[in-house]
Amino acid sequence: NAGVTQTPKFRILKIGQSMTLQCTQDMNHNYMYWYRQDPGMGLKLIYYSVGAGITDKGEVPNGYNVSRSTTEDFPLRLELAAPSQTSVYFCASSFSPRWTGEETQYFGPGTRLLVL
Amino acid sequence: AQTVTQSQPEMSVQEAETVTLSCTYDTSESDYYLFWYKQPPSRQMILVIRQEAYKQQNATENRFSVNFQKAAKSFSLKISDSQLGDAAMYFCALPFLTQGGSEKLVFGKGTKLTVNP
Repeated sequence: NAGVTQTPKFRILKIGQSMTLQCTQDMNHNYMYWYRQDPGMGLKLIYYSVGAGITDKGEVPNGYNVSRSTTEDFPLRLELAAPSQTSVYFCASSFSPRWTGEETQYFGPGTRLLVL
Repeated sequence: AQTVTQSQPEMSVQEAETVTLSCTYDTSESDYYLFWYKQPPSRQMILVIRQEAYKQQNATENRFSVNFQKAAKSFSLKISDSQLGDAAMYFCALPFLTQGGSEKLVFGKGTKLTVNP
């Protein structure tokens, strides 16, 4: 299993440009998450999905959109990039809805985004 | 609301010595888990250790152990026999149940650990 993969690893955007951050997992996990990590801070939840076709907002959803057409993929879209979206973006997935017990939670390697 | 506080932005330790990273939290839940994550320069988030709140025994994973004090809502991480590879950002995290029924993780701001040879 490749686990959770993210592309690209790094991207520079100009203000107002759009892009899609890709996230794919091959573990058949229903639950997927997008977090952002600003410099010197912990991760904050942007959006999450409990299964194909079902998504919901997290703490900081403004400026982003998501879709979940398949179990494997959970892309994050930035429509009009702003400097405030400069961050590192992490995708994560889990088998169960509660990150408890012996279940291991999986994070992708992250995408570093710079908006200038 | 769930909050996680790490009051030490940076810590340093000599190789082979022991260091303790602090974390306090607030939650209205009675049964919950707590996690410590390690983030090396590669930025990968790596689960270090987890603690079940209803278990009185502190969790241990090799050189990593926790001091969990439920009443004080304190969850510190102790790293024994520190190694150069332990140098990283360490995040304390608390699961929070969303309205959609799944859990997100609430993270502290992190502690940067430097290991000196």
